[in-house]
Amino acid sequence: GAVVSQHPSRVICKSGTSVKIECRSLDFQATTMFWYRQFPKQSLMLMATSNEGSKATYEQGVEKDKFLINHASLTLSTLTVTSAHPEDSSFYICSASSPAVYEQYFGPGTRLTVT
Amino acid sequence: RKEVEQDPGPFNVPEGATVAFNCTYSNSASQSFFWYRQDCRKEPKLLMSVYSSGNEDGRFTAQLNRASQYISLLIRDSKLSDSATYLCVGGGSNYKLTFGKGTLLTVNP
Repeated sequence: GAVVSQHPSRVICKSGTSVKIECRSLDFQATTMFWYRQFPKQSLMLMATSNEGSKATYEQGVEKDKFLINHASLTLSTLTVTSAHPEDSSFYICSASSPAVYEQYFGPGTRLTVT
Repeated sequence: RKEVEQDPGPFNVPEGATVAFNCTYSNSASQSFFWYRQDCRKEPKLLMSVYSSGNEDGRFTAQLNRASQYISLLIRDSKLSDSATYLCVGGGSNYKLTFGKGTLLTVNP
């Protein structure tokens, strides 16, 4: 299957700082990338859908000014958690897809801890 | 009502047992369905897509009943390595996926 990487895999930051998470599709061009968040013992919740070259579409309840998404190329999308707070601590997972691959392929996730 | 609902379990079964997971969905417009497995603290991995006619992949059989809006996954001859959380997933337009909360399976020696 297709390969999607995420960086960093784990990050600890102080409250009030910003954190950027990168999601890369390594062997295909991803026209669409998705960002999810998963709290312990909960399901993956879609945060936003990003299409290359256009603004991301955010799910209800997700603050677009807090979670900045950029999908500037067909292989890279970034999620920036601005002014992070302890309640933002979670497992953030991206996935990528395109008409060529049909399915969504997930990155390995980034575990964010805000202290 | 949640879009995708699953029995959260946990299911504890001995090696070699057959175990079945059920899932219901509320959005009749959902176009495609999948079963993913997720290991602890890892990303979900696609186990199999689910087709209306039912499909089988080795020890795994998935079925979809659109009339009842019901999806199932059967695992035969379960192995220790099958221990994971199994996620029922509905796919809509624009490749958007809706995940169930998952069913935790533990296969015991």
